[in-house]
Amino acid sequence: EIVLTQSPATLSLSPGERATLSCRASQTVTTYLAWYQQKPGQAPRLLIYDASNRATGIPARFSGSGSGTDFTLTISSLEPEDFAVYYCQQRFNWPLTFGGGTKVEI
Amino acid sequence: EVHLVESGGDLVQPGGSLRLSCAASGFTFSSFWMTWVRQAPGKGLEWVASIKPDGSEKFYVDSVKGRFTISRDNAKNSLSLQMNSLRAEDTAVYYCARDMITDGYNLEYFQYWGQGTLVTVSS
Repeated sequence: EIVLTQSPATLSLSPGERATLSCRASQTVTTYLAWYQQKPGQAPRLLIYDASNRATGIPARFSGSGSGTDFTLTISSLEPEDFAVYYCQQRFNWPLTFGGGTKVEI
Repeated sequence: EVHLVESGGDLVQPGGSLRLSCAASGFTFSSFWMTWVRQAPGKGLEWVASIKPDGSEKFYVDSVKGRFTISRDNAKNSLSLQMNSLRAEDTAVYYCARDMITDGYNLEYFQYWGQGTLVTVSS
Protein backbone atom coordinates (compact mmCIF):
# COMPACT_ATOMS: atom_id res chain seq x y z
CA GLU A 1 0.00 0.00 0.00
CA ILE A 2 1.24 3.44 -0.92
CA VAL A 3 1.26 5.78 2.06
CA LEU A 4 0.76 9.49 1.39
CA THR A 5 2.11 11.87 4.01
CA GLN A 6 0.87 15.44 3.95
CA SER A 7 2.59 18.38 5.59
CA PRO A 8 2.10 20.52 7.45
CA ALA A 9 -0.93 19.22 9.32
CA THR A 10 -2.12 22.79 9.78
CA LEU A 11 -1.21 25.94 7.89
CA SER A 12 -2.14 29.27 9.45
CA LEU A 13 -2.28 32.05 6.88
CA SER A 14 -4.17 35.22 6.01
CA PRO A 15 -6.25 36.07 2.94
CA GLY A 16 -4.01 37.16 0.11
CA GLU A 17 -1.08 35.05 1.23
CA ARG A 18 0.41 32.15 -0.70
CA ALA A 19 -0.21 28.60 0.53
CA THR A 20 2.14 25.74 -0.20
CA LEU A 21 0.98 22.23 0.74
CA SER A 22 3.09 19.11 0.45
CA CYS A 23 2.27 15.47 -0.23
CA ARG A 24 4.95 12.79 -0.13
CA ALA A 25 4.42 9.23 -1.33
CA SER A 26 6.11 6.17 0.17
CA GLN A 27 6.97 5.01 -3.35
CA THR A 28 6.68 6.51 -6.77
CA VAL A 29 3.22 7.32 -8.09
CA THR A 30 4.65 8.94 -11.26
CA THR A 31 2.14 11.78 -11.81
CA TYR A 32 -0.94 9.83 -10.73
CA LEU A 33 -1.89 12.17 -7.92
CA ALA A 34 -4.90 14.35 -7.23
CA TRP A 35 -5.79 17.08 -4.76
CA TYR A 36 -9.18 17.66 -3.14
CA GLN A 37 -10.64 20.44 -1.03
CA GLN A 38 -13.16 19.73 1.71
CA LYS A 39 -15.11 22.28 3.73
CA PRO A 40 -16.96 21.41 6.95
CA GLY A 41 -20.15 19.46 6.33
CA GLN A 42 -19.47 19.15 2.61
CA ALA A 43 -18.25 16.46 0.28
CA PRO A 44 -14.73 16.82 -1.11
CA ARG A 45 -14.17 18.68 -4.39
CA LEU A 46 -11.62 17.61 -6.96
CA LEU A 47 -9.12 20.42 -7.61
CA ILE A 48 -6.14 18.92 -9.43
CA TYR A 49 -5.64 15.59 -11.19
CA ASP A 50 -2.56 13.88 -12.58
CA ALA A 51 -0.41 16.18 -10.44
CA SER A 52 -0.86 19.39 -12.39
CA ASN A 53 -4.15 19.49 -14.29
CA ARG A 54 -6.91 21.69 -12.92
CA ALA A 55 -10.32 20.07 -12.81
CA THR A 56 -13.27 21.71 -14.50
CA GLY A 57 -14.22 25.03 -12.96
CA ILE A 58 -11.24 25.29 -10.62
CA PRO A 59 -9.77 28.80 -10.38
CA ALA A 60 -6.30 29.46 -11.75
CA ARG A 61 -4.97 30.37 -8.30
CA PHE A 62 -4.82 26.62 -7.60
CA SER A 63 -1.86 24.85 -9.15
CA GLY A 64 -0.20 21.48 -8.66
CA SER A 65 3.30 20.27 -9.35
CA GLY A 66 5.58 17.33 -8.75
CA SER A 67 6.24 13.79 -9.87
CA GLY A 68 7.56 10.57 -8.42
CA THR A 69 7.19 10.90 -4.67
CA ASP A 70 7.00 14.65 -3.98
CA PHE A 71 4.05 16.85 -4.84
CA THR A 72 2.93 20.37 -4.07
CA LEU A 73 -0.40 22.16 -4.15
CA THR A 74 -0.03 25.92 -4.33
CA ILE A 75 -2.74 28.48 -3.78
CA SER A 76 -1.25 31.68 -5.11
CA SER A 77 -3.37 34.15 -3.17
CA LEU A 78 -5.79 32.83 -0.57
CA GLU A 79 -9.41 33.82 -0.84
CA PRO A 80 -11.69 33.59 2.21
CA GLU A 81 -13.44 30.55 0.68
CA ASP A 82 -10.14 28.65 0.40
CA PHE A 83 -9.86 28.00 4.12
CA ALA A 84 -10.56 24.28 4.25
CA VAL A 85 -8.91 20.86 4.51
CA TYR A 86 -6.94 19.59 1.52
CA TYR A 87 -6.25 15.94 0.70
CA CYS A 88 -4.01 14.27 -1.83
CA GLN A 89 -4.89 10.90 -3.39
CA GLN A 90 -2.96 8.46 -5.57
CA ARG A 91 -4.24 6.21 -8.31
CA PHE A 92 -0.92 4.56 -9.20
CA ASN A 93 -2.05 1.25 -7.77
CA TRP A 94 -4.68 -0.46 -5.64
CA PRO A 95 -5.63 0.21 -2.96
CA LEU A 96 -6.27 3.82 -3.77
CA THR A 97 -5.07 5.91 -0.85
CA PHE A 98 -5.48 9.40 0.53
CA GLY A 99 -3.14 11.52 2.56
CA GLY A 100 -4.11 12.55 6.07
CA GLY A 101 -4.96 16.10 5.06
CA THR A 102 -3.71 19.64 5.60
CA LYS A 103 -5.98 22.17 7.24
CA VAL A 104 -5.56 25.70 5.93
CA GLU A 105 -6.84 28.07 8.58
CA ILE A 106 -6.88 31.77 9.22
CA GLU B 1 -26.13 18.05 -14.09
CA VAL B 2 -24.61 15.11 -12.24
CA HIS B 3 -26.43 14.06 -9.09
CA LEU B 4 -25.49 11.34 -6.65
CA VAL B 5 -27.79 10.69 -3.71
CA GLU B 6 -26.87 8.17 -1.03
CA SER B 7 -29.32 6.51 1.32
CA GLY B 8 -29.45 3.68 3.80
CA GLY B 9 -27.25 4.95 6.58
CA ASP B 10 -28.40 4.07 10.07
CA LEU B 11 -27.44 3.04 13.58
CA VAL B 12 -26.58 -0.66 13.66
CA GLN B 13 -25.18 -3.00 16.30
CA PRO B 14 -21.72 -4.55 15.95
CA GLY B 15 -21.97 -7.67 13.83
CA GLY B 16 -25.00 -6.37 12.02
CA SER B 17 -25.61 -5.64 8.36
CA LEU B 18 -26.61 -2.62 6.32
CA ARG B 19 -27.10 -1.89 2.65
CA LEU B 20 -26.26 1.53 1.25
CA SER B 21 -27.61 2.79 -2.05
CA CYS B 22 -26.62 5.59 -4.37
CA ALA B 23 -29.02 6.92 -7.00
CA ALA B 24 -27.23 8.48 -9.96
CA SER B 25 -28.55 10.89 -12.56
CA GLY B 26 -27.34 13.42 -15.11
CA PHE B 27 -24.81 11.17 -16.84
CA THR B 28 -24.52 7.82 -18.60
CA PHE B 29 -24.14 5.68 -15.48
CA SER B 30 -23.13 2.54 -17.36
CA SER B 31 -20.01 4.26 -18.75
CA PHE B 32 -18.30 5.13 -15.48
CA TRP B 33 -16.42 3.40 -12.71
CA MET B 34 -18.12 4.11 -9.39
CA THR B 35 -16.62 4.24 -5.93
CA TRP B 36 -17.44 4.36 -2.23
CA VAL B 37 -15.28 6.55 0.01
CA ARG B 38 -15.80 6.89 3.76
CA GLN B 39 -14.86 9.38 6.42
CA ALA B 40 -14.91 8.55 10.11
CA PRO B 41 -16.05 11.39 12.38
CA GLY B 42 -13.34 14.05 12.54
CA LYS B 43 -10.98 11.97 10.43
CA GLY B 44 -9.67 11.87 6.87
CA LEU B 45 -10.91 10.21 3.73
CA GLU B 46 -10.61 6.47 3.11
CA TRP B 47 -11.26 4.74 -0.19
CA VAL B 48 -13.50 1.69 0.36
CA ALA B 49 -14.38 0.05 -2.95
CA SER B 50 -14.66 0.63 -6.69
CA ILE B 51 -16.55 -1.16 -9.47
CA LYS B 52 -16.02 -1.25 -13.22
CA PRO B 53 -18.80 0.06 -15.51
CA ASP B 54 -20.03 -3.44 -16.40
CA GLY B 55 -19.54 -4.76 -12.87
CA SER B 56 -16.95 -7.31 -13.95
CA GLU B 57 -14.16 -5.95 -11.74
CA LYS B 58 -14.31 -4.84 -8.14
CA PHE B 59 -11.62 -3.62 -5.79
CA TYR B 60 -11.74 -3.28 -2.01
CA VAL B 61 -9.62 -1.87 0.78
CA ASP B 62 -8.23 -4.75 2.83
CA SER B 63 -10.16 -3.81 5.98
CA VAL B 64 -13.53 -4.54 4.31
CA LYS B 65 -12.65 -7.51 2.09
CA GLY B 66 -14.95 -10.43 2.76
CA ARG B 67 -17.42 -8.21 4.65
CA PHE B 68 -18.50 -5.57 2.12
CA THR B 69 -19.76 -6.08 -1.42
CA ILE B 70 -20.04 -3.34 -4.01
CA SER B 71 -22.55 -3.81 -6.81
CA ARG B 72 -24.42 -1.83 -9.42
CA ASP B 73 -27.60 -1.96 -11.47
CA ASN B 74 -27.00 -0.08 -14.69
CA ALA B 75 -30.65 -0.40 -15.70
CA LYS B 76 -31.64 1.50 -12.57
CA ASN B 77 -28.62 3.86 -12.43
CA SER B 78 -27.94 2.60 -8.96
CA LEU B 79 -24.84 1.73 -6.93
CA SER B 80 -24.95 -0.33 -3.73
CA LEU B 81 -22.71 -1.31 -0.85
CA GLN B 82 -23.73 -4.35 1.17
CA MET B 83 -22.01 -4.21 4.54
CA ASN B 84 -21.94 -7.29 6.77
CA SER B 85 -20.22 -8.08 10.06
CA LEU B 86 -20.06 -4.40 10.86
CA ARG B 87 -17.53 -3.13 13.39
CA ALA B 88 -17.25 0.04 15.42
CA GLU B 89 -14.42 1.16 13.15
CA ASP B 90 -16.80 1.14 10.17
CA THR B 91 -18.59 4.13 11.67
CA ALA B 92 -18.32 6.89 9.09
CA VAL B 93 -20.03 9.02 6.52
CA TYR B 94 -20.09 6.98 3.32
CA TYR B 95 -19.84 8.87 0.05
CA CYS B 96 -20.73 7.61 -3.37
CA ALA B 97 -18.42 9.05 -6.02
CA ARG B 98 -18.08 8.94 -9.78
CA ASP B 99 -14.69 8.45 -11.33
CA MET B 100 -13.55 10.76 -14.09
CA ILE B 101 -12.95 10.05 -17.76
CA THR B 102 -10.59 12.12 -19.84
CA ASP B 103 -9.58 11.51 -23.44
CA GLY B 104 -11.61 8.32 -23.29
CA TYR B 105 -9.63 6.87 -20.39
CA ASN B 106 -10.91 6.24 -16.90
CA LEU B 107 -8.90 7.92 -14.18
CA GLU B 108 -9.42 6.71 -10.63
CA TYR B 109 -10.09 10.16 -9.29
CA PHE B 110 -13.43 11.22 -7.89
CA GLN B 111 -14.94 13.99 -9.93
CA TYR B 112 -18.45 13.99 -8.46
CA TRP B 113 -19.61 13.14 -4.96
CA GLY B 114 -22.88 12.64 -3.18
CA GLN B 115 -23.69 14.34 0.10
CA GLY B 116 -22.93 11.20 2.10
CA THR B 117 -24.89 8.93 4.42
CA LEU B 118 -23.94 8.26 8.04
CA VAL B 119 -23.37 4.74 9.28
CA THR B 120 -22.99 4.35 13.04
CA VAL B 121 -21.97 1.00 14.47
CA SER B 122 -22.61 0.90 18.19
CA SER B 123 -24.40 -1.14 20.82
